[in-house]
Amino acid sequence: GAVVSQHPSRVICKSGTSVKIECRSLDFQATTMFWYRQFPKQSLMLMATSNEGSKATYEQGVEKDKFLINHASLTLSTLTVTSAHPEDSSFYICSACRVGDQPQHFGDGTRLSIL
Amino acid sequence: GQQLNQSPQSMFIQEGEDVSMNCTSSSIFNTWLWYKQDPGEGPVLLIALYKAGELTSNGRLTAQFGITRKDSFLNISASIPSDVGIYFCAGQKTSGSRLTFGEGTQLTVNP
Repeated sequence: GAVVSQHPSRVICKSGTSVKIECRSLDFQATTMFWYRQFPKQSLMLMATSNEGSKATYEQGVEKDKFLINHASLTLSTLTVTSAHPEDSSFYICSACRVGDQPQHFGDGTRLSIL
Repeated sequence: GQQLNQSPQSMFIQEGEDVSMNCTSSSIFNTWLWYKQDPGEGPVLLIALYKAGELTSNGRLTAQFGITRKDSFLNISASIPSDVGIYFCAGQKTSGSRLTFGEGTQLTVNP
């Protein structure tokens, strides 16, 4: 069964709206979670690494004030797309791994459509 | 950011045929992972490889961690229609660190 839950699965909203996406690890604690963005027919591109209890680490070119990440507990990380615009429309996916050398497991993704 | 070189980009095969895809990198990875992604869903882990030279099977899937630690391949035997999807390789430098993904291989299986 799924080990990482992502919510919502789909969001359609107007330009200027802020959208929050949740990523939960199920039955395990994840000190680190990862947020990816995927455009159609492309691979996953890492946006940021979410660290429990500390600031997220953003990849080059990703605006931290645009994509707010909060990792307040060992089972939940949130990504907030602030003042979203049509160019932010994409498929956002999170992943998490158990402490140690377990491989990363991914959520089912959130399809964000900004009108 | 860096991506792995994954080939082929796409494959069109008949049901029952075997499939092979591979990934190469200019740098060393200590873990190689293979994922499958269906439309509108997140990637699902197929096989994880942790040791250079390791050959691991999962049903009809077999993957190998290259001895140089710079490459990996995935084989699918006796393909079936539900094998359709995008297959991604991913490399990881250290435990718990970020993944670097290949560009993906789109597999189409004709019944």
